[in-house]
Amino acid sequence: GESVGLHLPTLSVQEGDNSIINCAYSNSASDYFIWYKQESGKGPQFIIDIRSNMDKRQGQRVTVLLNKTVKHLSLQIAATQPGDSAVYFCAEKLASNTGKLIFGQGTTLQVKP
Amino acid sequence: GAVVSQHPSRVICKSGTSVKIECRSLDFQATTMFWYRQFPKQSLMLMATSNEGSKATYEQGVEKDKFLINHASLTLSTLTVTSAHPEDSSFYICSAPGLKETQYFGPGTRLLVL
Repeated sequence: GESVGLHLPTLSVQEGDNSIINCAYSNSASDYFIWYKQESGKGPQFIIDIRSNMDKRQGQRVTVLLNKTVKHLSLQIAATQPGDSAVYFCAEKLASNTGKLIFGQGTTLQVKP
Repeated sequence: GAVVSQHPSRVICKSGTSVKIECRSLDFQATTMFWYRQFPKQSLMLMATSNEGSKATYEQGVEKDKFLINHASLTLSTLTVTSAHPEDSSFYICSAPGLKETQYFGPGTRLLVL
């Protein structure tokens, strides 16, 4: 949904544990969703995407779940590693537009060794 | 994979001066590019859509006379922050659509206005 000027929430996990990062999106007309990872001082890096006609998609160590009923998106990271420490953003694309993305608030993931 | 570059990576300027930031798609063509601004510990806010050969489309609340966008070729979009002030200090990021609905992001430009 529309991002607001709030500080990012933080999720702290132990190395090796699984992480779940959540995102609420605002527009029921969105048809495509993406998770991005952003390290400090860098641009967003694509992790995984999912279309609105799916409810689950798996990648390497990551799974995205989409619940359109409650407009909720989650990113699951298996066996979290120190290199996973970053800020994670979900983004949505409206079906009607030509690629414009609306970013969610973001979550800082801290992995403790 | 597709690469988007930005130049400069960081810039410091005096208040009142103008700063130009370039966004290039290195191995693919982009008729559309997007410009985002990101303040510390906040999310990315879409500023405008850059359209090759036509005027940019600005998001609500973004001053088009302050943030001039030029998309002169299929691989280059520029954002010029005119008469920059300290409140314009931010991290500016561009992106370009790739295959299907993939978006490729540049590495960002850190602007500090003194």
